[in-house]
Amino acid sequence: EPEVTQTPSHQVTQMGQEVILRCVPISNHLYFYWYRQILGQKVEFLVSFYNNEISEKSEIFDDQFSVERPDGSNFTLKIRSTKLEDSAMYFCASSEDRGRAEQYFGPGTRLTVT
Amino acid sequence: GENVEQHPSTLSVQEGDSAVIKCTYSDSASNYFPWYKQELGKGPQLIIDIRSNVGEKKDQRIAVTLNKTAKHFSLHITETQPEDSAVYFCAASINDYKLSFGAGTTVTVRA
Repeated sequence: EPEVTQTPSHQVTQMGQEVILRCVPISNHLYFYWYRQILGQKVEFLVSFYNNEISEKSEIFDDQFSVERPDGSNFTLKIRSTKLEDSAMYFCASSEDRGRAEQYFGPGTRLTVT
Repeated sequence: GENVEQHPSTLSVQEGDSAVIKCTYSDSASNYFPWYKQELGKGPQLIIDIRSNVGEKKDQRIAVTLNKTAKHFSLHITETQPEDSAVYFCAASINDYKLSFGAGTTVTVRA
């Protein structure tokens, strides 16, 4: 069964450093998403991406964040200058198209900022 | 924005009994309501979903009901088994892009 994969599973970085979280969505999916879950809090929407453009972003997704689909398979989330409060589990998800809203999630990347 | 509240936060049931998790949402424009199951070390897995033009949907031992007037929806698991132990999340969406999640319910099925 196709699945969303994410690398790395755990990333430790120092405050102020740039990190790139990587995701490989399901191959025939057209919509891609990033969510995050701070420990003990709800899963929060960050951004959705379609046709090489951001289709929606939350207020969390400020100028420190960016997304990219650098090739036909990868989807990345970059945090330019990490803060302590960026420590969270980051989930990538993908869905087939607008008419099929089911989003399939990857296993997550745990980001720890020290 | 949309706010989803989920109850209870923890639920312990005897194997074979039923489990019910309830969610409310704030935005009457929400029209898609998925439920996710998350096991330890894994990402959320979609288990069932419902759209606002349907009142109930069932898939084997799980069912979801939706009351648009009251803006609440529920997950029902019948004949619970140990493998049903996990964290369950409800979510709501207005536009199929952005899911707003509840806080999660930790379900423990006692053998």
